[in-house]
Amino acid sequence: AQSVTQPDIHITVSEGASLELRCNYSYGATPYLFWYVQSPGQGLQLLLKYFSGDTLVQGIKGFEAEFKRSQSSFNLRKPSVHWSDAAEYFCAVGDWKAAGNKLTFGGGTRVLVKP
Amino acid sequence: DADVTQTPRNRITKTGKRIMLECSQTKGHDRMYWYRQDPGLGLRLIYYSFDVKDINKGEISDGYSVSRQAQAKFSLSLESAIPNQTALYFCATSDPQLAGGNEQFFGPGTRLTVL
Repeated sequence: AQSVTQPDIHITVSEGASLELRCNYSYGATPYLFWYVQSPGQGLQLLLKYFSGDTLVQGIKGFEAEFKRSQSSFNLRKPSVHWSDAAEYFCAVGDWKAAGNKLTFGGGTRVLVKP
Repeated sequence: DADVTQTPRNRITKTGKRIMLECSQTKGHDRMYWYRQDPGLGLRLIYYSFDVKDINKGEISDGYSVSRQAQAKFSLSLESAIPNQTALYFCATSDPQLAGGNEQFFGPGTRLTVL
């Protein structure tokens, strides 16, 4: 069965500093990979996705993520964080072979931005 | 002009009460899903439906039931609410033409508190 691990529950970063959120997955084939962001009191917004092709994908709000098959990772990065990036971030893997196209989510990483 | 809407957005109820959460979508997608979000656990799938006549259990369906009234409407019911069903509930939709249905679009969530 597929699984997703986000090792960092909380990360605190200073405004203007770089940010990297880790995501490791377990899946038997090339997965569909997603990063979602949940701002306080809000729903889930898709930041970016990877299906195939170029392993470095660009998303909204200046985020990017890199798929590394050898490490089973899909880490999210932003060169310079803004106070509005304070939110919870979820990595998810889609199983295109499974009935229901189930998305499996990691436990989330909460990002705090210091002024 | 939200594509996926959920009502109510917040609900407080008492143990033993029957509760219905509603989801409507204007995306024209056939596939709809219900998830619950708990701190540290990410989102977990409760039920999903591929069309009006199709209902499937997810990984945590006990204590819940669903109804797919139309292509655009998918309701989640708690027949007799209990405190550990206190959570944030999300509805989602997908189109099998988009990443095999793995790319899902989420509503804003319903925060349910069971006292």
